[in-house]
Amino acid sequence: EPEVTQTPSHQVTQMGQEVILRCVPISNHLYFYWYRQILGQKVEFLVSFYNNEISEKSEIFDDQFSVERPDGSNFTLKIRSTKLEDSAMYFCASRGSEAFFGQGTRLTVV
Amino acid sequence: SQELEQSPQSLIVQEGKNLTINCTSSKTLYGLYWYKQKYGEGLIFLMMLQKGGEEKSHEKITAKLDEKKQQSSLHITASQPSHAGIYLCGAGPTSGTYKYIFGTGTRLKVLA
Repeated sequence: EPEVTQTPSHQVTQMGQEVILRCVPISNHLYFYWYRQILGQKVEFLVSFYNNEISEKSEIFDDQFSVERPDGSNFTLKIRSTKLEDSAMYFCASRGSEAFFGQGTRLTVV
Repeated sequence: SQELEQSPQSLIVQEGKNLTINCTSSKTLYGLYWYKQKYGEGLIFLMMLQKGGEEKSHEKITAKLDEKKQQSSLHITASQPSHAGIYLCGAGPTSGTYKYIFGTGTRLKVLA
C-alpha cells in the first residue's frame, strides 16, 4: 500500500525559530498538500502545490510559510519565525487518482 | 465554497450498540473519505467512496454515499471500545479548487 511519510513525528522549537517539516509523497503523484490541525480543532487547508508552484493557498498561509520540492522527492513546509499559535499537527498529502495523507508532524512551539 | 457538516458532534454509546455518523456536503461530492483519529494523533484512513449509491465495508464499519452524492453515512455495528475516537469525513476537490476539505468531526466514546 502506498504511503506518504512525514518527518519528524514530533518537533519542539523555540518561538521565533525557523522549522522545516518534511514529507515524502507517493512517487508518481503530481499534487501535494499541507494541512494543519490545531489540537481539538478542524483540519485546515494550508496550501496545494502542482508543477513546482503553489496552485492554491489559504489565508493562513502567509509570508511566514513557504513550500518547496527541493529534489523531486521531498516536499517541505518551512515556517520562518514560529509563533506559539503555530503549535499544531501538520499533515502532508499527495494525490494521484486519490489523496493519501501522512501521519503528521506534531509541532510544539515553546 | 464547499462545507462539510458532521452530525452528531459527539456520541456516547454502550459497547455492543450500533451507531451512525452523518456527513452532509453543501455541494456534490467527488470523492468522500472517512478517517479515524485519536485525539492529538494522525489520520487513519478508513474508506473512500466515489460513486452515488456506493457502499463499502471494513470489519464492522460500513460507509455509504447517497445517490445524489451529497451525504455520506458511517455505520458501526456492535461497537467496541476500540472504535472510540474522532471520525472525520473529507472531500474534494470540486471544480475550481485543488483542495480537500474536512468535516468538523464526530467524537465517539464507547462505554465498556
